[in-house]
Amino acid sequence: GAVVSQHPSWVICKSGTSVKIECRSLDFQATTMFWYRQFPKQSLMLMATSNEGSKATYEQGVEKDKFLINHASLTLSTLTVTSAHPEDSSFYICSALGAGNTEAFFGQGTRLTVV
Amino acid sequence: QKEVEQDPGPLSVPEGAIVSLNCTYSNSAFQYFMWYRQYSRKGPELLMYTYSSGNKEDGRFTAQVDKSSKYISLFIRDSQPSDSATYLCAMGANAGKSTFGDGTTLTVKP
Repeated sequence: GAVVSQHPSWVICKSGTSVKIECRSLDFQATTMFWYRQFPKQSLMLMATSNEGSKATYEQGVEKDKFLINHASLTLSTLTVTSAHPEDSSFYICSALGAGNTEAFFGQGTRLTVV
Repeated sequence: QKEVEQDPGPLSVPEGAIVSLNCTYSNSAFQYFMWYRQYSRKGPELLMYTYSSGNKEDGRFTAQVDKSSKYISLFIRDSQPSDSATYLCAMGANAGKSTFGDGTTLTVKP
Protein backbone atom coordinates (compact mmCIF):
# COMPACT_ATOMS: atom_id res chain seq x y z
CA GLY A 1 0.00 0.00 0.00
CA ALA A 2 0.88 3.65 -0.22
CA VAL A 3 3.08 5.26 2.42
CA VAL A 4 1.97 8.09 4.66
CA SER A 5 4.53 9.57 7.02
CA GLN A 6 3.58 11.51 10.10
CA HIS A 7 5.99 13.61 12.11
CA PRO A 8 6.78 13.82 14.95
CA SER A 9 5.80 10.42 16.34
CA TRP A 10 5.61 11.89 19.82
CA VAL A 11 5.88 15.34 21.35
CA ILE A 12 5.71 16.82 24.83
CA CYS A 13 4.91 20.49 25.15
CA LYS A 14 4.11 22.99 27.85
CA SER A 15 0.58 24.20 28.39
CA GLY A 16 -0.13 27.32 26.35
CA THR A 17 2.31 26.57 23.55
CA SER A 18 1.49 25.46 20.00
CA VAL A 19 2.47 22.22 18.33
CA LYS A 20 2.59 21.42 14.63
CA ILE A 21 2.12 17.91 13.28
CA GLU A 22 2.99 17.04 9.69
CA CYS A 23 1.40 14.42 7.47
CA ARG A 24 3.09 13.56 4.20
CA SER A 25 2.10 11.20 1.42
CA LEU A 26 5.43 9.85 0.19
CA ASP A 27 4.55 8.03 -3.02
CA PHE A 28 1.25 9.46 -4.17
CA GLN A 29 -0.58 12.75 -4.36
CA ALA A 30 -3.15 13.14 -1.62
CA THR A 31 -6.05 15.27 -2.77
CA THR A 32 -7.77 14.75 0.56
CA MET A 33 -6.37 14.27 4.03
CA PHE A 34 -8.24 13.39 7.19
CA TRP A 35 -7.24 14.15 10.75
CA TYR A 36 -8.38 11.92 13.59
CA ARG A 37 -7.93 11.99 17.34
CA GLN A 38 -7.84 8.93 19.56
CA PHE A 39 -8.05 9.05 23.33
CA PRO A 40 -6.78 6.08 25.38
CA LYS A 41 -8.91 2.98 24.98
CA GLN A 42 -11.24 4.81 22.62
CA SER A 43 -11.71 4.72 18.91
CA LEU A 44 -10.61 7.19 16.27
CA MET A 45 -12.77 10.28 16.01
CA LEU A 46 -12.65 12.31 12.82
CA MET A 47 -11.69 15.91 13.51
CA ALA A 48 -11.55 17.42 10.05
CA THR A 49 -11.26 16.80 6.34
CA SER A 50 -8.92 18.87 4.22
CA ASN A 51 -8.72 19.15 0.47
CA GLU A 52 -5.60 20.51 -1.15
CA GLY A 53 -5.87 24.24 -1.61
CA SER A 54 -9.15 24.57 0.27
CA LYS A 55 -10.20 25.32 3.80
CA ALA A 56 -10.66 22.32 6.01
CA THR A 57 -14.10 21.04 6.96
CA TYR A 58 -14.37 20.45 10.69
CA GLU A 59 -16.60 17.95 12.43
CA GLN A 60 -19.13 19.14 14.94
CA GLY A 61 -17.57 20.05 18.26
CA VAL A 62 -14.05 20.53 16.91
CA GLU A 63 -12.74 24.07 17.35
CA LYS A 64 -11.32 25.24 14.05
CA ASP A 65 -9.42 28.11 15.68
CA LYS A 66 -7.70 25.72 18.03
CA PHE A 67 -6.88 23.00 15.52
CA LEU A 68 -5.47 24.77 12.49
CA ILE A 69 -5.20 22.63 9.38
CA ASN A 70 -3.23 23.55 6.30
CA HIS A 71 -3.14 21.47 3.13
CA ALA A 72 -1.02 23.62 0.88
CA SER A 73 0.34 20.88 -1.36
CA LEU A 74 -0.70 17.49 -2.67
CA THR A 75 1.78 15.73 -0.41
CA LEU A 76 1.63 17.68 2.83
CA SER A 77 -0.98 18.59 5.39
CA THR A 78 -0.28 20.07 8.81
CA LEU A 79 -2.28 20.18 12.01
CA THR A 80 -1.36 22.87 14.51
CA VAL A 81 -2.71 22.57 18.02
CA THR A 82 -2.73 26.13 19.29
CA SER A 83 -2.50 27.12 22.94
CA ALA A 84 -2.40 23.47 23.91
CA HIS A 85 -3.83 22.36 27.23
CA PRO A 86 -3.50 19.04 29.08
CA GLU A 87 -6.94 17.95 27.85
CA ASP A 88 -5.56 18.13 24.29
CA SER A 89 -3.19 15.28 25.13
CA SER A 90 -4.12 12.52 22.73
CA PHE A 91 -3.02 10.41 19.80
CA TYR A 92 -3.44 12.34 16.54
CA ILE A 93 -3.55 10.36 13.30
CA CYS A 94 -3.80 11.47 9.71
CA SER A 95 -4.90 9.56 6.66
CA ALA A 96 -4.46 10.45 3.01
CA LEU A 97 -6.61 9.71 -0.03
CA GLY A 98 -5.38 9.96 -3.60
CA ALA A 99 -7.50 11.17 -6.51
CA GLY A 100 -9.75 8.44 -7.83
CA ASN A 101 -8.84 6.08 -5.00
CA THR A 102 -11.22 4.57 -2.49
CA GLU A 103 -8.74 3.59 0.22
CA ALA A 104 -7.17 6.11 2.55
CA PHE A 105 -3.81 5.24 4.10
CA PHE A 106 -2.92 6.13 7.66
CA GLY A 107 0.17 7.67 9.12
CA GLN A 108 1.78 6.16 12.18
CA GLY A 109 0.25 8.74 14.51
CA THR A 110 1.59 11.43 16.83
CA ARG A 111 1.28 11.13 20.56
CA LEU A 112 0.89 14.60 22.07
CA THR A 113 1.38 15.14 25.78
CA VAL A 114 0.73 18.59 27.18
CA VAL A 115 2.20 19.22 30.61
CA GLN B 1 -26.81 5.57 19.77
CA LYS B 2 -23.49 5.23 17.98
CA GLU B 3 -23.44 4.86 14.23
CA VAL B 4 -21.07 1.92 14.52
CA GLU B 5 -21.22 -0.61 17.34
CA GLN B 6 -18.36 -2.98 18.06
CA ASP B 7 -17.95 -5.32 21.02
CA PRO B 8 -14.83 -4.04 22.81
CA GLY B 9 -13.98 -7.44 24.25
CA PRO B 10 -11.39 -8.22 25.38
CA LEU B 11 -11.25 -11.47 23.48
CA SER B 12 -8.77 -14.19 24.41
CA VAL B 13 -8.31 -17.33 22.33
CA PRO B 14 -5.76 -20.14 22.11
CA GLU B 15 -3.35 -20.27 19.21
CA GLY B 16 -4.90 -21.90 16.15
CA ALA B 17 -8.47 -20.87 17.01
CA ILE B 18 -10.84 -19.21 14.59
CA VAL B 19 -11.61 -15.66 15.64
CA SER B 20 -14.82 -13.86 14.75
CA LEU B 21 -15.06 -10.09 15.09
CA ASN B 22 -18.24 -8.21 14.35
CA CYS B 23 -19.71 -4.75 13.93
CA THR B 24 -23.18 -3.44 13.36
CA TYR B 25 -24.08 -0.06 11.97
CA SER B 26 -27.11 2.12 11.48
CA ASN B 27 -26.25 4.38 8.53
CA SER B 28 -27.62 2.81 5.35
CA ALA B 29 -25.46 5.18 3.28
CA PHE B 30 -22.29 3.35 4.27
CA GLN B 31 -20.81 1.50 1.32
CA TYR B 32 -17.11 1.27 2.14
CA PHE B 33 -16.21 -1.20 4.86
CA MET B 34 -12.76 -1.71 6.35
CA TRP B 35 -11.03 -3.64 9.06
CA TYR B 36 -7.89 -2.25 10.65
CA ARG B 37 -5.38 -3.72 13.05
CA GLN B 38 -3.81 -1.40 15.55
CA TYR B 39 -0.91 -2.16 17.82
CA SER B 40 -0.37 -0.11 20.93
CA ARG B 41 0.79 3.45 20.21
CA LYS B 42 0.75 2.87 16.44
CA GLY B 43 -1.45 4.04 13.61
CA PRO B 44 -4.12 1.68 12.18
CA GLU B 45 -3.01 -0.79 9.54
CA LEU B 46 -5.53 -1.66 6.84
CA LEU B 47 -6.31 -5.38 6.81
CA MET B 48 -9.36 -5.73 4.63
CA TYR B 49 -11.36 -3.44 2.42
CA THR B 50 -14.76 -4.22 0.94
CA TYR B 51 -17.02 -2.14 -1.20
CA SER B 52 -20.73 -2.87 -0.77
CA SER B 53 -21.91 -6.35 0.21
CA GLY B 54 -20.09 -9.62 -0.15
CA ASN B 55 -17.15 -11.64 1.06
CA LYS B 56 -13.46 -11.07 0.62
CA GLU B 57 -10.65 -13.41 1.53
CA ASP B 58 -6.97 -12.64 1.98
CA GLY B 59 -4.83 -15.38 3.43
CA ARG B 60 -6.10 -16.21 6.91
CA PHE B 61 -8.50 -13.27 6.92
CA THR B 62 -12.06 -13.22 5.58
CA ALA B 63 -14.29 -10.17 5.64
CA GLN B 64 -18.05 -10.37 5.21
CA VAL B 65 -20.48 -7.54 4.65
CA ASP B 66 -24.24 -7.95 4.89
CA LYS B 67 -25.78 -4.61 4.06
CA SER B 68 -29.32 -5.91 4.46
CA SER B 69 -28.58 -6.65 8.11
CA LYS B 70 -26.11 -3.78 8.53
CA TYR B 71 -23.59 -6.27 9.87
CA ILE B 72 -19.96 -6.88 9.04
CA SER B 73 -17.57 -9.55 10.22
CA LEU B 74 -13.89 -10.38 10.16
CA PHE B 75 -12.77 -13.97 10.55
CA ILE B 76 -9.21 -14.92 11.38
CA ARG B 77 -8.28 -18.56 10.78
CA ASP B 78 -5.40 -20.35 12.48
CA SER B 79 -4.87 -17.40 14.78
CA GLN B 80 -1.30 -16.66 15.85
CA PRO B 81 0.13 -14.81 18.86
CA SER B 82 1.26 -12.12 16.43
CA ASP B 83 -2.42 -11.45 15.68
CA SER B 84 -2.79 -10.06 19.21
CA ALA B 85 -3.84 -6.44 18.71
CA THR B 86 -6.86 -4.19 18.67
CA TYR B 87 -9.09 -4.65 15.64
CA LEU B 88 -11.13 -1.72 14.44
CA CYS B 89 -13.99 -1.83 12.01
CA ALA B 90 -14.54 1.30 9.96
CA MET B 91 -17.03 2.30 7.35
CA GLY B 92 -18.13 5.28 5.35
CA ALA B 93 -20.42 6.63 2.69
CA ASN B 94 -17.57 8.41 0.95
CA ALA B 95 -14.11 7.12 0.18
CA GLY B 96 -11.60 7.92 2.89
CA LYS B 97 -13.93 9.50 5.44
CA SER B 98 -14.55 6.77 7.97
CA THR B 99 -16.53 6.19 11.12
CA PHE B 100 -14.80 3.76 13.42
CA GLY B 101 -16.00 1.21 15.91
CA ASP B 102 -14.51 1.25 19.39
CA GLY B 103 -12.18 -1.63 18.60
CA THR B 104 -11.93 -5.19 19.92
CA THR B 105 -8.79 -6.16 21.80
CA LEU B 106 -7.68 -9.66 20.85
CA THR B 107 -5.12 -11.80 22.65
CA VAL B 108 -3.98 -15.06 21.09
CA LYS B 109 -2.28 -17.25 23.66
CA PRO B 110 0.51 -19.64 22.59
